Amino acid sequence: DTAVSQTPKYLVTQMGNDKSIKCEQNLGHDTMYWYKQDSKKFLKIMFSYNNKELIINETVPNRFSPKSPDKAHLNLHINSLELGDSAVYFCASSQAGTYGKLFFGSGTQLSVL
Amino acid sequence: GENVGLHLPTLSVQEGDNSIINCAYSNSASDYFIWYKQESGKGPQFIIDIRSNMDKRQGQRVTVLLNKTVKHLSLQIAATQPGDSAVYFCADLSGSARQLTFGSGTQLTVLP
Repeated sequence: DTAVSQTPKYLVTQMGNDKSIKCEQNLGHDTMYWYKQDSKKFLKIMFSYNNKELIINETVPNRFSPKSPDKAHLNLHINSLELGDSAVYFCASSQAGTYGKLFFGSGTQLSVL
Repeated sequence: GENVGLHLPTLSVQEGDNSIINCAYSNSASDYFIWYKQESGKGPQFIIDIRSNMDKRQGQRVTVLLNKTVKHLSLQIAATQPGDSAVYFCADLSGSARQLTFGSGTQLTVLP
């Protein structure tokens, strides 16, 4: 069973569209994250949620809105997509108190045309 | 801001040799360091961690060394295998929010 699963794996869309990426973890973790990986493999945190509450919100355009309906899910909605949003987006989760040991999903490759 | 960086973007080693991947960090307040491995098409995977009160930690075929004096971290992989080919990231944890900051990654290629 996949521990952290995100869908879709690939997302190709036009500029200006709105899209969502879903993430679910079955590890019973309290904390979930969204990371963005650019073409040079640099990983940067976007958001962190602990028990459905936002605890980290890095400098991310407000076109990006995370939603956590319960502690097992953290979805990412992106409005008015831009070319620069093209990247791989990773969802991750961690056990409470073990902030450094993250379990990552397999990523969503977003291509904005 | 603080960052974690790597000395070499790419590293090629012969199968069976030992690999050493280096990392420099700048945040003297960092108290916890982690190495992640990312295989092609997959998400990063935790390998090994070390706290700032230690200078060495060993796992299965991997060893992490921490030199706080020069703010340097290294990952040693013994008897490197083809399955070790991946991008390796060092990361550090600091601040009250315990935010994980990743370095820029080193691509390790194992040659047959």
